[in-house]
Amino acid sequence: GEDVEQSLFLSVREGDSSVINCTYTDSSSTYLYWYKQEPGAGLQLLTYIFSNMDMKQDQRLTVLLNKKDKHLSLRIADTQTGDSAIYFCAESKESSYKLIFGSGTRLLVRP
Amino acid sequence: DGGITQSPKYLFRKEGQNVTLSCEQNLNHDAMYWYRQDPGQGLRLIYYSQIVNDFQKGDIAEGYSVSREKKESFPLTVTSAQKNPTAFYLCASTGSGHEQYFGPGTRLTVT
Repeated sequence: GEDVEQSLFLSVREGDSSVINCTYTDSSSTYLYWYKQEPGAGLQLLTYIFSNMDMKQDQRLTVLLNKKDKHLSLRIADTQTGDSAIYFCAESKESSYKLIFGSGTRLLVRP
Repeated sequence: DGGITQSPKYLFRKEGQNVTLSCEQNLNHDAMYWYRQDPGQGLRLIYYSQIVNDFQKGDIAEGYSVSREKKESFPLTVTSAQKNPTAFYLCASTGSGHEQYFGPGTRLTVT
């Protein structure tokens, strides 16, 4: 079956690292994505990882994938107040255009 | 400036009326999608189209209709048959890659 789960809320202090976690059930997922949504706005693609990779780094963002446990995480280094948003994890298969989204993690960055 | 535009940003309708949401892209993308987002939830796929003059139902197509007469445009009609139409509607598109890019969304309120 297809299911993507995320914790609902995370609060961190400005300057600390944030780690947002996601679990998925479909072992045939090909790509896993992280999107950011600010209030009242659309989704912004932050990064993605191909399923045969363990890690991907892009400036302050690090994505870790544990395929055995079907666990994906997004680490944001030196978190800023502008990082406060909802973060969505999503998965897709190469044979399908369909994205399956988690319900989102609301990140609050305290000054 | 390339991108996806959705209009209007806010839309208000009376119950029983059909309403059409606009989605236009100038990215030359083949595939386009409509998602619905409810508070505290992830995105759910309504309809998608991989090519002009062709579209498929997503997970929650009941009460909605679409057309794809031009590559750039994928309008969504919310019909009076949709039982709970109040939501945030997001349009997305995909080009030759696998990444989906999103428009800014339309918030529909039906009273």
